[in-house]
Amino acid sequence: DVKVTQSSRYLVKRTGEKVFLECVQDMDHENMFWYRQDPGLGLRLIYFSYDVKMKEKGDIPEGYSVSREKKERFSLILESASTNQTSMYLCASSWTLKSNEQFFGPGTRLTVL
Amino acid sequence: SQQGEEDPQALSIQEGENATMNCSYKTSINNLQWYRQNSGRGLVHLILIRSNEREKHSGRLRVTLDTSKKSSSLLITASRAADTASYFCATDTRSGNTGKLIFGQGTTLQVKP
Repeated sequence: DVKVTQSSRYLVKRTGEKVFLECVQDMDHENMFWYRQDPGLGLRLIYFSYDVKMKEKGDIPEGYSVSREKKERFSLILESASTNQTSMYLCASSWTLKSNEQFFGPGTRLTVL
Repeated sequence: SQQGEEDPQALSIQEGENATMNCSYKTSINNLQWYRQNSGRGLVHLILIRSNEREKHSGRLRVTLDTSKKSSSLLITASRAADTASYFCATDTRSGNTGKLIFGQGTTLQVKP
Protein backbone atom coordinates (compact mmCIF):
# COMPACT_ATOMS: atom_id res chain seq x y z
CA ASP A 1 0.00 0.00 0.00
CA VAL A 2 1.11 3.50 -0.78
CA LYS A 3 1.90 5.44 2.31
CA VAL A 4 2.12 9.20 2.65
CA THR A 5 3.11 10.43 6.07
CA GLN A 6 3.16 13.93 7.50
CA SER A 7 5.44 14.96 10.32
CA SER A 8 2.73 16.13 12.73
CA ARG A 9 -1.03 15.69 13.11
CA TYR A 10 -1.38 18.82 15.23
CA LEU A 11 0.93 21.80 15.52
CA VAL A 12 0.67 25.05 17.48
CA LYS A 13 3.03 27.89 16.63
CA ARG A 14 3.33 31.57 17.42
CA THR A 15 3.09 34.45 14.97
CA GLY A 16 6.44 35.11 13.31
CA GLU A 17 7.85 31.64 13.87
CA LYS A 18 9.35 29.67 11.01
CA VAL A 19 7.36 26.49 10.50
CA PHE A 20 8.37 23.32 8.67
CA LEU A 21 5.82 20.76 7.57
CA GLU A 22 7.30 17.57 6.20
CA CYS A 23 5.77 14.98 3.92
CA VAL A 24 7.27 11.61 2.97
CA GLN A 25 5.95 9.07 0.47
CA ASP A 26 7.22 5.55 -0.01
CA MET A 27 6.10 4.71 -3.56
CA ASP A 28 8.67 6.50 -5.71
CA HIS A 29 6.08 9.03 -6.93
CA GLU A 30 7.35 11.81 -9.15
CA ASN A 31 4.69 14.33 -8.18
CA MET A 32 4.07 15.79 -4.75
CA PHE A 33 1.60 18.46 -3.67
CA TRP A 34 0.79 20.71 -0.75
CA TYR A 35 -2.79 21.88 -0.20
CA ARG A 36 -4.51 23.83 2.49
CA GLN A 37 -8.11 23.15 3.37
CA ASP A 38 -10.41 25.69 4.98
CA PRO A 39 -14.15 25.47 5.66
CA GLY A 40 -16.16 26.62 2.67
CA LEU A 41 -13.07 26.97 0.46
CA GLY A 42 -12.28 23.34 -0.32
CA LEU A 43 -8.73 22.30 -1.17
CA ARG A 44 -6.43 24.97 -2.50
CA LEU A 45 -3.10 24.10 -4.05
CA ILE A 46 -0.14 25.90 -2.51
CA TYR A 47 2.85 24.38 -4.34
CA PHE A 48 3.63 21.24 -6.23
CA SER A 49 6.72 19.44 -7.47
CA TYR A 50 7.03 17.09 -10.42
CA ASP A 51 10.66 16.11 -9.86
CA VAL A 52 13.48 16.48 -7.38
CA LYS A 53 14.47 20.13 -6.97
CA MET A 54 11.61 21.20 -9.25
CA LYS A 55 8.70 23.20 -7.90
CA GLU A 56 5.80 25.19 -9.24
CA LYS A 57 3.47 27.65 -7.60
CA GLY A 58 -0.10 26.64 -7.13
CA ASP A 59 -3.06 28.93 -6.56
CA ILE A 60 -2.02 30.41 -3.21
CA PRO A 61 1.79 30.37 -2.83
CA GLU A 62 2.13 33.68 -0.97
CA GLY A 63 3.71 33.29 2.44
CA TYR A 64 4.94 29.76 1.69
CA SER A 65 8.00 28.12 0.18
CA VAL A 66 8.86 24.48 -0.50
CA SER A 67 11.86 22.22 -0.73
CA ARG A 68 12.32 18.91 -2.51
CA GLU A 69 15.88 17.69 -2.11
CA LYS A 70 14.98 13.99 -2.30
CA LYS A 71 12.30 12.30 -4.34
CA GLU A 72 10.42 10.93 -1.35
CA ARG A 73 10.32 14.12 0.72
CA PHE A 74 8.51 17.41 0.13
CA SER A 75 8.67 20.14 2.75
CA LEU A 76 6.39 23.13 3.15
CA ILE A 77 7.91 26.14 4.88
CA LEU A 78 6.10 29.06 6.44
CA GLU A 79 8.85 31.66 6.65
CA SER A 80 7.04 33.81 9.20
CA ALA A 81 3.80 32.25 10.38
CA SER A 82 0.72 34.45 10.57
CA THR A 83 -2.69 33.81 12.11
CA ASN A 84 -4.32 33.60 8.66
CA GLN A 85 -2.20 30.53 7.98
CA THR A 86 -4.11 28.60 10.61
CA SER A 87 -5.52 25.73 8.57
CA MET A 88 -5.46 22.03 7.75
CA TYR A 89 -2.49 21.22 5.51
CA LEU A 90 -2.65 18.17 3.28
CA CYS A 91 0.19 16.58 1.38
CA ALA A 92 -0.36 14.29 -1.60
CA SER A 93 1.69 12.38 -4.16
CA SER A 94 1.10 10.70 -7.50
CA TRP A 95 2.81 9.01 -10.43
CA THR A 96 3.21 10.88 -13.69
CA LEU A 97 2.83 8.11 -16.23
CA LYS A 98 0.10 6.09 -14.59
CA SER A 99 -3.34 7.46 -13.79
CA ASN A 100 -2.76 10.56 -11.72
CA GLU A 101 -4.71 9.40 -8.72
CA GLN A 102 -3.39 11.30 -5.72
CA PHE A 103 -2.54 9.63 -2.43
CA PHE A 104 -2.99 11.83 0.60
CA GLY A 105 -1.36 12.02 3.97
CA PRO A 106 -3.47 12.29 7.15
CA GLY A 107 -3.11 16.07 7.32
CA THR A 108 -1.55 18.52 9.76
CA ARG A 109 -3.82 20.87 11.62
CA LEU A 110 -1.76 24.00 12.20
CA THR A 111 -2.80 26.69 14.64
CA VAL A 112 -0.90 29.98 14.66
CA LEU A 113 -1.44 32.06 17.77
CA SER B 1 -10.22 29.24 -9.15
CA GLN B 2 -12.08 26.01 -8.51
CA GLN B 3 -12.94 24.07 -11.65
CA GLY B 4 -15.28 21.60 -10.02
CA GLU B 5 -18.41 22.62 -8.24
CA GLU B 6 -20.29 20.03 -6.25
CA ASP B 7 -24.00 20.03 -5.69
CA PRO B 8 -25.53 19.83 -3.16
CA GLN B 9 -23.14 21.27 -0.59
CA ALA B 10 -24.73 19.09 2.07
CA LEU B 11 -26.92 16.01 1.97
CA SER B 12 -28.62 14.13 4.79
CA ILE B 13 -30.28 10.75 4.20
CA GLN B 14 -31.37 7.65 6.08
CA GLU B 15 -29.35 4.46 6.07
CA GLY B 16 -30.35 2.28 3.12
CA GLU B 17 -31.26 5.19 0.85
CA ASN B 18 -29.25 6.17 -2.20
CA ALA B 19 -27.12 9.32 -2.24
CA THR B 20 -26.42 11.28 -5.41
CA MET B 21 -23.83 14.02 -5.69
CA ASN B 22 -23.13 16.11 -8.75
CA CYS B 23 -20.04 17.85 -10.04
CA SER B 24 -19.78 20.43 -12.81
CA TYR B 25 -16.58 21.65 -14.40
CA LYS B 26 -15.57 24.26 -16.93
CA THR B 27 -12.73 23.10 -19.19
CA SER B 28 -11.79 19.95 -21.11
CA ILE B 29 -10.55 17.08 -19.01
CA ASN B 30 -8.45 13.95 -19.29
CA ASN B 31 -10.30 12.32 -16.44
CA LEU B 32 -12.45 13.08 -13.44
CA GLN B 33 -11.92 11.54 -10.03
CA TRP B 34 -13.95 11.25 -6.87
CA TYR B 35 -12.43 11.30 -3.40
CA ARG B 36 -13.79 10.79 0.07
CA GLN B 37 -12.67 12.51 3.26
CA ASN B 38 -13.61 11.41 6.75
CA SER B 39 -13.72 14.19 9.30
CA GLY B 40 -10.26 15.54 10.09
CA ARG B 41 -8.44 13.08 7.84
CA GLY B 42 -6.79 13.02 4.43
CA LEU B 43 -8.63 12.29 1.20
CA VAL B 44 -8.98 8.78 -0.17
CA HIS B 45 -9.36 8.06 -3.88
CA LEU B 46 -12.64 6.31 -4.76
CA ILE B 47 -12.95 6.09 -8.52
CA LEU B 48 -11.62 7.57 -11.76
CA ILE B 49 -13.54 7.99 -14.98
CA ARG B 50 -11.78 8.89 -18.22
CA SER B 51 -13.10 11.45 -20.68
CA ASN B 52 -14.02 8.72 -23.18
CA GLU B 53 -16.06 6.76 -20.60
CA ARG B 54 -19.68 7.42 -19.73
CA GLU B 55 -20.23 5.24 -16.71
CA LYS B 56 -18.18 3.31 -14.21
CA HIS B 57 -19.00 1.09 -11.25
CA SER B 58 -17.07 0.12 -8.16
CA GLY B 59 -18.96 -1.82 -5.51
CA ARG B 60 -21.82 0.41 -4.32
CA LEU B 61 -20.46 3.39 -6.26
CA ARG B 62 -21.63 4.41 -9.69
CA VAL B 63 -20.10 7.36 -11.52
CA THR B 64 -21.37 8.91 -14.71
CA LEU B 65 -19.70 11.48 -16.92
CA ASP B 66 -21.33 13.72 -19.50
CA THR B 67 -18.61 15.64 -21.28
CA SER B 68 -21.13 17.57 -23.41
CA LYS B 69 -22.62 19.01 -20.23
CA LYS B 70 -19.31 19.06 -18.41
CA SER B 71 -20.81 17.25 -15.47
CA SER B 72 -20.42 14.08 -13.44
CA SER B 73 -22.47 12.37 -10.77
CA LEU B 74 -21.55 9.99 -7.97
CA LEU B 75 -24.25 7.61 -6.77
CA ILE B 76 -23.80 5.65 -3.56
CA THR B 77 -26.40 2.90 -3.33
CA ALA B 78 -27.77 1.37 -0.13
CA SER B 79 -25.93 3.90 2.02
CA ARG B 80 -24.51 3.04 5.42
CA ALA B 81 -23.73 5.20 8.44
CA ALA B 82 -20.04 4.59 7.65
CA ASP B 83 -20.50 6.45 4.34
CA THR B 84 -20.84 9.68 6.34
CA ALA B 85 -18.01 11.85 4.97
CA SER B 86 -17.24 14.66 2.55
CA TYR B 87 -16.97 13.79 -1.12
CA PHE B 88 -14.89 15.74 -3.63
CA CYS B 89 -14.63 15.64 -7.38
CA ALA B 90 -11.28 16.45 -8.97
CA THR B 91 -10.46 17.10 -12.61
CA ASP B 92 -7.30 16.47 -14.58
CA THR B 93 -7.37 19.29 -17.09
CA ARG B 94 -4.57 18.07 -19.34
CA SER B 95 -2.09 20.63 -17.97
CA GLY B 96 1.05 18.84 -19.05
CA ASN B 97 2.40 15.88 -17.12
CA THR B 98 2.46 17.41 -13.68
CA GLY B 99 -0.41 15.35 -12.36
CA LYS B 100 -2.11 18.48 -11.11
CA LEU B 101 -5.78 18.10 -10.19
CA ILE B 102 -8.36 20.75 -9.47
CA PHE B 103 -10.65 19.92 -6.58
CA GLY B 104 -14.19 21.09 -6.01
CA GLN B 105 -15.45 22.30 -2.65
CA GLY B 106 -17.10 19.05 -1.76
CA THR B 107 -20.44 17.62 -0.69
CA THR B 108 -20.91 16.73 2.96
CA LEU B 109 -22.95 13.56 3.29
CA GLN B 110 -24.58 12.50 6.53
CA VAL B 111 -26.15 9.05 6.68
CA LYS B 112 -28.40 8.60 9.69
CA PRO B 113 -28.66 5.13 11.21
